[in-house]
Amino acid sequence: GQNIDQPTEMTATEGAIVQINCTYQTSGFNGLFWYQQHAGEAPTFLSYNVLDGLEEKGRFSSFLSRSKGYSYLLLKELQMKDSASYLCAVIDSNYQLIWGAGTKLIIKP
Amino acid sequence: GAVVSQHPSWVICKSGTSVKIECRSLDFQATTMFWYRQFPKQSLMLMATSNEGSKATYEQGVEKDKFLINHASLTLSTLTVTSAHPEDSSFYICSARDRVEVDEQFFGPGTRLTVL
Repeated sequence: GQNIDQPTEMTATEGAIVQINCTYQTSGFNGLFWYQQHAGEAPTFLSYNVLDGLEEKGRFSSFLSRSKGYSYLLLKELQMKDSASYLCAVIDSNYQLIWGAGTKLIIKP
Repeated sequence: GAVVSQHPSWVICKSGTSVKIECRSLDFQATTMFWYRQFPKQSLMLMATSNEGSKATYEQGVEKDKFLINHASLTLSTLTVTSAHPEDSSFYICSARDRVEVDEQFFGPGTRLTVL
């Protein structure tokens, strides 16, 4: 079967750094997305990785290792507004989106 | 875990035809379902929110007569793209909110629509 694993919940301190991991087992791979979703709102696009390596975009970075079926989202200089759910999603060989369950990130002062 | 399915996975149709996409919550009841469009490498764009037994609420700019939504039961919502045109080609994704665990929202695998 196909599945994506990410931690259910994480807690971090304002100003700190947090890494949210995502491991996947899918039939084929055509890219991996990270989305941020605040409660009651639509998910917003954070990053798209299709090649191995690190992509940096401001305070957010995303890493991909296709051979390991692994990605992480790195958030630096955490702010209270970063409290949200972070969704990992993989496009498989049939161009279907396989969604992780999301990681609820709680930021404490 | 909770599963949301969509059917069909992909569809190719001629311009002017109508296409129906089904979204089902397989092991939970969903009083609310959401329909999104996604263009490549972009955010999901919320099209409409449907509540079981009532009319859908459409986001600004989304034509309700073109994108017909029906949420007839607690486990099924349908999106019909009427008189589809090439510009409607997109990835359509539904999500469902658990009736009990209202903070949980589960996403379907998406339906890729290509209009020729």
